[in-house]
Amino acid sequence: EVQLVESGGGLVQPGGSLRLSCAASGFVFSRYWMSWVRQAPGKGLEWVANIKEDGSETYSVDSVEGRFTISRDNAKNSLYVQMNSLRADDTAVYYCARDAGYWSGGAFYSMYDFWGQGTLVTVSS
Amino acid sequence: AIQMTQSPSSLSASVGDRVTITCRASQGIRNDLGWYQQKPGKAPKLLIYGASSLLSGVPSRFSGSGSGTDFTLTISSLQPEDVATYYCLQDYDHPLTFGGGTKVGIK
Repeated sequence: EVQLVESGGGLVQPGGSLRLSCAASGFVFSRYWMSWVRQAPGKGLEWVANIKEDGSETYSVDSVEGRFTISRDNAKNSLYVQMNSLRADDTAVYYCARDAGYWSGGAFYSMYDFWGQGTLVTVSS
Repeated sequence: AIQMTQSPSSLSASVGDRVTITCRASQGIRNDLGWYQQKPGKAPKLLIYGASSLLSGVPSRFSGSGSGTDFTLTISSLQPEDVATYYCLQDYDHPLTFGGGTKVGIK
């Protein structure tokens, strides 16, 4: 059974740092792109960042560029996001998601088929 | 970044009604689009990928269509368990972007 379990959320002051983890099980972690998606309280979903199977490529949304770093440890079946210089508008539930994407006709199609339960990050003084 | 404009933002329909949600991209995205369902307090669930491919296990009353800039999610016969918020997600280019969501309720 595929499982994704996030941890590391909590209350942090503005300007502070936090590292979220996502423990994966039930599938061959090293074969999948992985992503972080967040949702501010009462708001919609926002894609945050993703990372290639071997960690050689990463992408992130402009609002976290230079502050958040996505990484992975395939030996530990774990995904991470290091969040620095946190702001109030980073307050959200953070989900990790598996991308069971596939190639077709020369294009890569993403599909987030499994998600964790989310971990809440609150940035407040 | 590609903007995804979803409409309506909310709707209310009767059980058995046909429901249509649309998503418009600010530029062409081929068929690189997925639809997700999120119930309160829960993680999103994938329904449709590649604009029109139904994920295995998802009820056949859900369908997706469209290509380029205009996309549609249709629920052919709304059921009580379909009460949720629905989001489109473009994966044509980084950063990936979600639509604003459509909250679906029962009359």
